[in-house]
Amino acid sequence: DQQVKQNSPSLSVQEGRISILNCDYTNSMFDYFLWYKKYPAEGPTFLISISSIKDKNEDGRFTVFLNKSAKHLSLHIVPSQPGDSAVYFCAAAPPWETSGSRLTFGEGTQLTVNP
Amino acid sequence: SAVISQKPSRDICQRGTSLTIQCQVDSQVTMMFWYRQQPGQSLTLIATANQGSEATYESGFVIDKFPISRPNLTFSTLTVSNMSPEDSSIYLCSVSPGPNYGYTFGSGTRLTVV
Repeated sequence: DQQVKQNSPSLSVQEGRISILNCDYTNSMFDYFLWYKKYPAEGPTFLISISSIKDKNEDGRFTVFLNKSAKHLSLHIVPSQPGDSAVYFCAAAPPWETSGSRLTFGEGTQLTVNP
Repeated sequence: SAVISQKPSRDICQRGTSLTIQCQVDSQVTMMFWYRQQPGQSLTLIATANQGSEATYESGFVIDKFPISRPNLTFSTLTVSNMSPEDSSIYLCSVSPGPNYGYTFGSGTRLTVV
């Protein structure tokens, strides 16, 4: 049972344009969501997170949107840069007091930003 | 955020042997997690390790295959025992200081079993 799904395995955009990465989840217990970026041969690097009490969180070029009714979140990168090319994972966690709030990851989306 | 030092960064091992992976954190953390990323797949949680208690394993993972130690609040080890080529993966440790603090990952151990 894949509780967190990223349906697009890859995405290609032009430098300067917007990148939109999507993620869907099924477990209504999830209340904390995160996006990670991963380069080959490195561990995932935290990008941005959002709590279920919000519907938007912004940090520089990165904005995460959460639609709780649709169980959908998205990551917007504006403007996209070639250095953003990496695999992006969304992850979700239940409340901390349940099972230590361990993360469930999506399958990842390979983003390629072309110069 | 915490800084994690994970060793080794990569190894090539013979089948039937065991490898112990170490994670050292620069601050005390309650929760430490071990993940596996098989080739082309997402990260899958192996177990949660709390100091002073037995690790909690996820479905499909057992202590005999992946014994974990957590002797203090800054250190943990994961052993991959009796390895087979199917164990070839990236293994990562992760920590979180508490609710909504986010999670930090080690750089990973790329294991190849031949």
